[in-house]
Amino acid sequence: ETGVTQTPRHLVMGMTNKKSLKCEQHLGHNAMYWYKQSAKKPLELMFVYSLEERVENNSVPSRFSPECPNSSHLFLHLHTLQPEDSALYLCASSQDRPQGEIEAFFGQGTRLTVV
Amino acid sequence: KNQVEQSPQSLIILEGKNCTLQCNYTVSPFSNLRWYKQDTGRGPVSLTIMTFSENTKSNGRYTATLDADTKQSSLHITASQLSDSASYICVAHGGSQGNLIFGKGTKLSVKP
Repeated sequence: ETGVTQTPRHLVMGMTNKKSLKCEQHLGHNAMYWYKQSAKKPLELMFVYSLEERVENNSVPSRFSPECPNSSHLFLHLHTLQPEDSALYLCASSQDRPQGEIEAFFGQGTRLTVV
Repeated sequence: KNQVEQSPQSLIILEGKNCTLQCNYTVSPFSNLRWYKQDTGRGPVSLTIMTFSENTKSNGRYTATLDADTKQSSLHITASQLSDSASYICVAHGGSQGNLIFGKGTKLSVKP
């Protein structure tokens, strides 16, 4: 295990549902990230939090809403999603932004299916 | 545009054989190059990180090379094992925002 835990591992939700993805890191890192991984596409960075402040939002639709209550926890709140939002959502953490040889550690991901 | 291209898209080899995966990147400014292994349904796990001044780095049976002049990297796997079956993702760190830029990955299948 990498020290980054995501729950749930699998989620099926209807387009009118509201759900949340949770990420917890036990590594003492101060930066956390949400990525989206769709089939046959590279990982896409969605949000970056550094010291609990959102420092980056890569033109993600407002139906995705992140929350970082403290440096160990990160949430992704979902509402009125579309079928094309079905993907593997990965959380990652690092000590500061990943420059030099600073490692980024990924969780196992949440496989989201929107029906 | 900052991007990372990997080849081949997929590869099947027999257990015990060697293989080499390729990566070309166009990222500016460039900081470092990473290779990750991603098992099916799991998150990526780091194999190597190389800064622009490093030419080669090994991690067990995995050896990565970097040519910062031609902007190419390779990942060589020696004496493959069934557990090497996974996607291997090349990642360049850099760009104006200093983010990780991911390739689509090479899906490796090792057959007995």
